[in-house]
Amino acid sequence: QKEVEQDPGPLSVPEGAIVSLNCTYSNSAFQYFMWYRQYSRKGPELLMYTYSSGNKEDGRFTAQVDKSSKYISLFIRDSQPSDSATYLCAPPDLNEKLTFGTGTRLTIIP
Amino acid sequence: GAVVSQHPSWVICKSGTSVKIECRSLDFQATTMFWYRQFPKQSLMLMATSNEGSKATYEQGVEKDKFLINHASLTLSTLTVTSAHPEDSSFYICSAPAGTGLYGYTFGSGTRLTVV
Repeated sequence: QKEVEQDPGPLSVPEGAIVSLNCTYSNSAFQYFMWYRQYSRKGPELLMYTYSSGNKEDGRFTAQVDKSSKYISLFIRDSQPSDSATYLCAPPDLNEKLTFGTGTRLTIIP
Repeated sequence: GAVVSQHPSWVICKSGTSVKIECRSLDFQATTMFWYRQFPKQSLMLMATSNEGSKATYEQGVEKDKFLINHASLTLSTLTVTSAHPEDSSFYICSAPAGTGLYGYTFGSGTRLTVV
């Protein structure tokens, strides 16, 4: 079993829709979680990070962590074409190494 | 914010030659640099971790004699792909912790290597 799993997609939704991206993990040692956005042929950029269970909101983005079920979600409200990218969840381990999920390719259709 | 500058952004080389990729931390000191490889439509796979002034730590299955990593200063880490072959063609990305772990990691813009 992979430590971090994501549905690779691709996921296509119309502009303005709410997007739900999900990630599951198996390592209970993961303490905090990061979501990265990667545009094609670019390095990932940090979108959000969250430490505790519950929700964290930042503009149109909401990160949700449920440590009891080892489930992480990222919600995007009022999705825009510029949100089209691959979204990676990446919890760092105790050695600060990031363990990336496969990423979910998202396309927002104008 | 913390910036890691990676060069070149793309390179084409002939089989058997070596290619060097540089990552520089522009406004912070990077004592640690992570090197990743990403094949098309796949996630980033950690290849090795370099620490300034010491030998790099390679992940299982990564040939250390083929992927030479040097981290001679707090602002520069290099990855040299030696005797490159077509199967080495990939997207290589470096990353450094920017501040404490809670503030994430800064990634370079990546290098697309094509070996012909």
